[in-house]
Amino acid sequence: NAGVTQTPKFQVLKTGQSMTLQCAQDMNHEYMSWYRQDPGMGLRLIHYSVGAGITDQGEVPNGYNVSRSTTEDFPLRLLSAAPSQTSVYFCASRTTAGNQPQHFGDGTRLSIL
Amino acid sequence: GDSVTQMEGPVTLSEEAFLTINCTYTATGYPSLFWYVQYPGEGLQLLLKATKADDKGSNKGFEATYRKETTSFHLEKGSVQVSDSAVYFCALSGDNAGNMLTFGGGTRLMVKP
Repeated sequence: NAGVTQTPKFQVLKTGQSMTLQCAQDMNHEYMSWYRQDPGMGLRLIHYSVGAGITDQGEVPNGYNVSRSTTEDFPLRLLSAAPSQTSVYFCASRTTAGNQPQHFGDGTRLSIL
Repeated sequence: GDSVTQMEGPVTLSEEAFLTINCTYTATGYPSLFWYVQYPGEGLQLLLKATKADDKGSNKGFEATYRKETTSFHLEKGSVQVSDSAVYFCALSGDNAGNMLTFGGGTRLMVKP
């Protein structure tokens, strides 16, 4: 099984550019989420979704947009990239069953120049 | 809000040494607790979990006990191997919509032969 698939794996952008990080899961999970990983800070929640058509903000949502038109896909959009958004981004999904773990993708390493 | 604090690394051990990585948390209600492991260049994988007080999670020789009285979930292993070298994250799943995770800052473990 593919699990959670993120594309691209690496990306370099210039300040002010926009781009979309893709995330797809094939496990029919209702819950999906985006985290960013920065040194010494663990992973911080950007946005999450509890089902198609439903999204909400996490701890660090500014500068990012999300949408959830299907159960499988949960893209993350950077509207106008800034150097502070240089990070490693992880998408995760989980089932609604109680206390089940999240499944993570392999990450997208993003550098903003 | 919820928070997780874990010991800073890196932790450097010789093969077959005993490992402890401390983790304490602050949360309302009764969170579930997790340890995730991240190998170089990969996403996070669930290592073990505990869902209520006094539960012990275990996997691959690692153990952690949910201690509500000390709000702790320390990770231990009796004899580490070189292949255990990775970054370890303590996390909790709180009473928020979607039960999204709050992570500690991560602890890098380096095991030398």
